[in-house]
Amino acid sequence: EPEVTQTPSHQVTQMGQEVILRCVPISNHLYFYWYRQILGQKVEFLVSFYNNEISEKSEIFDDQFSVERPDGSNFTLKIRSTKLEDSAMYFCASQAGQNYGYTFGSGTRLTVV
Amino acid sequence: KQEVTQIPAALSVPEGENLVLNCSFTDSAIYNLQWFRQDPGKGLTSLLLIQSSQREQTSGRLNASLDKSSGRSTLYIAASQPGDSATYLCAVRRGTGANNLFFGTGTRLTVIP
Repeated sequence: EPEVTQTPSHQVTQMGQEVILRCVPISNHLYFYWYRQILGQKVEFLVSFYNNEISEKSEIFDDQFSVERPDGSNFTLKIRSTKLEDSAMYFCASQAGQNYGYTFGSGTRLTVV
Repeated sequence: KQEVTQIPAALSVPEGENLVLNCSFTDSAIYNLQWFRQDPGKGLTSLLLIQSSQREQTSGRLNASLDKSSGRSTLYIAASQPGDSATYLCAVRRGTGANNLFFGTGTRLTVIP
């Protein structure tokens, strides 16, 4: 069964550093997402991406965050200057079309120290 | 804003029991509802997707129902097994506009052998 692949599985970074989280969505999917889950809290929406542009973003997704689909297969989330409160599990997801369910990756656990 | 609540927060049952997990949402104007399973420290595995026009979906020992007008969904697990132990999340997608999901806090299920 096709999978959404995320790398790395765990990343530790110092406060203020830039991090890039990587995702390879399912190849024929059209919609791409990033969500995050702070430990013990709900899974929260960050951003959706369709047709090579952001289609929606939450209030969490401020100027410190950016997304890219640089080569038609990878989908990345960049955090420019990490804060302690950015520590969370970050999930990438893709969707074949509007009437289909989401497929999530296994997540990247980001720890900011 | 859509709020999704899951009750109970935790549930422990002996192996072989049938059980019901509950999900409620405040805005009944949804597009669809998806149930996920999350194992500790892992990603989200899709279990069932119910479109707003549907009343239920079944997959193996799992049956999910949707009562959109009352803002409720249930996930029924028949003949529970220790391997069913996980956190179960429900997520709803808004009826119009954006594609993003609103998640509940989950029900942590433990099936005792």
